Amino acid sequence: ETGVTQTPRHLVMGMTNKKSLKCEQHLGHNAMYWYKQSAKKPLELMFVYSLEERVENNSVPSRFSPECPNSSHLFLHLHTLQPEDSALYLCASSQDFGTSATQETQYFGPGTRLLVL
Amino acid sequence: AQSVTQPDIHITVSEGASLELRCNYSYGATPYLFWYVQSPGQGLQLLLKYFSGDTLVQGIKGFEAEFKRSQSSFNLRKPSVHWSDAAEYFCAVRGTYFGNEKLTFGTGTRLTIIP
Repeated sequence: ETGVTQTPRHLVMGMTNKKSLKCEQHLGHNAMYWYKQSAKKPLELMFVYSLEERVENNSVPSRFSPECPNSSHLFLHLHTLQPEDSALYLCASSQDFGTSATQETQYFGPGTRLLVL
Repeated sequence: AQSVTQPDIHITVSEGASLELRCNYSYGATPYLFWYVQSPGQGLQLLLKYFSGDTLVQGIKGFEAEFKRSQSSFNLRKPSVHWSDAAEYFCAVRGTYFGNEKLTFGTGTRLTIIP
């Protein structure tokens, strides 16, 4: 399997549930990202991990909790979400992050469509 | 910080006709520029990218884009669209200095193809 994979592809959860989104990249990259895509809004960067360390947290509410156990896997743990958190959550990876001399490109997974009831 | 504007929310083109999608950016220097395409229910696929050099870049699926520094633009073109090109297209810009490496996306242009 190649590229960036995400599971599950679709998720429906209640506001009191706890669930996790999983992302796996098979590209040998060192950086991984979570984005949120809501209707009629630009993609919003949520978190960036570089070499398994979180390097960006764009004022994301604490009900979203990322985890990067190794450079190939990224999780987004969800708890007590709100209906406005319903969106497409995209994972991406790139060779590196934070080195302007590196012309890295981000490669995206297919996303998890989340519906919070 | 950089920003991206895609002025056209929705464009309709006849199959076989030419296409141009507009993208304007704001950044204090020459940024890195990208075009991504998203089919319904799918993630983003990279079409092409500009880092430096030749200002006309070729991408996949017959797409090309031209970087025009004087106009702060990076418009996407295709000489003859196919029905399978119907999708949403996103322009993105990334800064070139340390601390400015995040991708900033435009709001996207939805492309509809009519027979």
